Amino acid sequence: DVKVTQSSRYLVKRTGEKVFLECVQDMDHENMFWYRQDPGLGLRLIYFSYDVKMKEKGDIPEGYSVSREKKERFSLILESASTNQTSMYLCASGLNTEAFFGQGTRLTVV
Amino acid sequence: SQQGEEDPQALSIQEGENATMNCSYKTSINNLQWYRQNSGRGLVHLILIRSNEREKHSGRLRVTLDTSKKSSSLLITASRAADTASYFCATPRGNKAGNMLTFGGGTRLMVKP
Repeated sequence: DVKVTQSSRYLVKRTGEKVFLECVQDMDHENMFWYRQDPGLGLRLIYFSYDVKMKEKGDIPEGYSVSREKKERFSLILESASTNQTSMYLCASGLNTEAFFGQGTRLTVV
Repeated sequence: SQQGEEDPQALSIQEGENATMNCSYKTSINNLQWYRQNSGRGLVHLILIRSNEREKHSGRLRVTLDTSKKSSSLLITASRAADTASYFCATPRGNKAGNMLTFGGGTRLMVKP
């Protein structure tokens, strides 16, 4: 079975901190994605990567950056966390059509 | 931007009843997918239907696709309490990553025992 693992289920960070959310997949997928999910707004794409060191902005990239140094790992970085980045963050990977999701990281910025 | 919009936003039924959720989308697609999300967890792929298919079955799930109306429906038959979850339709965004998806807002299904 495909496994997408996010490093934390729950995180609490302070405003202004630099935050790293890590995601690892074990199926050699080329494509990886970061979404955030908020009540009433659904899932919104932050960034995606279609190859190592390749990335493209999604719908809401402001305040975020990403890193993909190895094929299996895709990191989301909050350069200076703010309270409006409190959300559920979902990582996904896939090859062609279906996307496989991690369990999610619920981030609270205080 | 949300390509798919689910209807209803919330649905509450008794165990054993059927649950029907609808999804509308805006642009032409080559496939449509349905995902399930248990509370506070990641999404799990349920079923994919291609644009040349009208109906597809998987266990207690039945999905229909009407490309002329740009709509799809997900039917869960003989529902169980364990079916309680949010259900999302998703369509491809048509770019480098074929599985870069746009999700609808979801239908929250509650199945009462």
